[in-house]
Amino acid sequence: AQSVAQPEDQVNVAEGNPLTVKCTYSVSGNPYLFWYVQYPNRGLQFLLKYITGDNLVKGSYGFEAEFNKSQTSFHLKKPSALVSDSALYFCAVRAAAAGNKLTFGGGTRVLVKP
Amino acid sequence: KAGVTQTPRYLIKTRGQQVTLSCSPISGHRSVSWYQQTPGQGLQFLFEYFSETQRNKGNFPGRFSGRQFSNSRSEMNVSTLELGDSALYLCASSLANVNSYSSTDTQYFGPGTRLTVL
Repeated sequence: AQSVAQPEDQVNVAEGNPLTVKCTYSVSGNPYLFWYVQYPNRGLQFLLKYITGDNLVKGSYGFEAEFNKSQTSFHLKKPSALVSDSALYFCAVRAAAAGNKLTFGGGTRVLVKP
Repeated sequence: KAGVTQTPRYLIKTRGQQVTLSCSPISGHRSVSWYQQTPGQGLQFLFEYFSETQRNKGNFPGRFSGRQFSNSRSEMNVSTLELGDSALYLCASSLANVNSYSSTDTQYFGPGTRLTVL
């Protein structure tokens, strides 16, 4: 079975400071990893994904994520956080070995303070 | 392109009733997935459809069912509603190709249907 862990329920960061949201995964075979963001009363918006190739993936709104196979991690990062980045962030994994089901982590709430 | 649309956006039902939720995928997308989001359980996979066939199913009771039409639109039905079925139900579509879908496809989500069971 595949699983995703987001160890922090909430991350607080000051505006302009770097933002990191942690994600680790467990899956058989090659993982395909995704990050989504959810604003209040909205669906999930796709930020970026890792399929293969360069371990550093760049996505929307200045976000990037680094795939680390040895640590089975896929942490989301942003060099300089904005107040508007305050939202709920989800990491997800999908693998053919697990029937192609998309499995989400529990989510991390990000609060960026001015 | 228009995004994924879900109707209705809000729904209030009572225990024992049944409900049908609708999802229209992004134009050209052939795969539709459904998820349940609750504060306690987070985001849980319900099922996935491709070319009118259910390809994957999550761990939900048989009261939860779905279908996909030839135009890729999808519906999910919940019968004999329970209080615990109160949740945000999210639909997502992905492109897929003519013959199959892929684990690498990005799923794009709709705004969800907020179901409240009283």
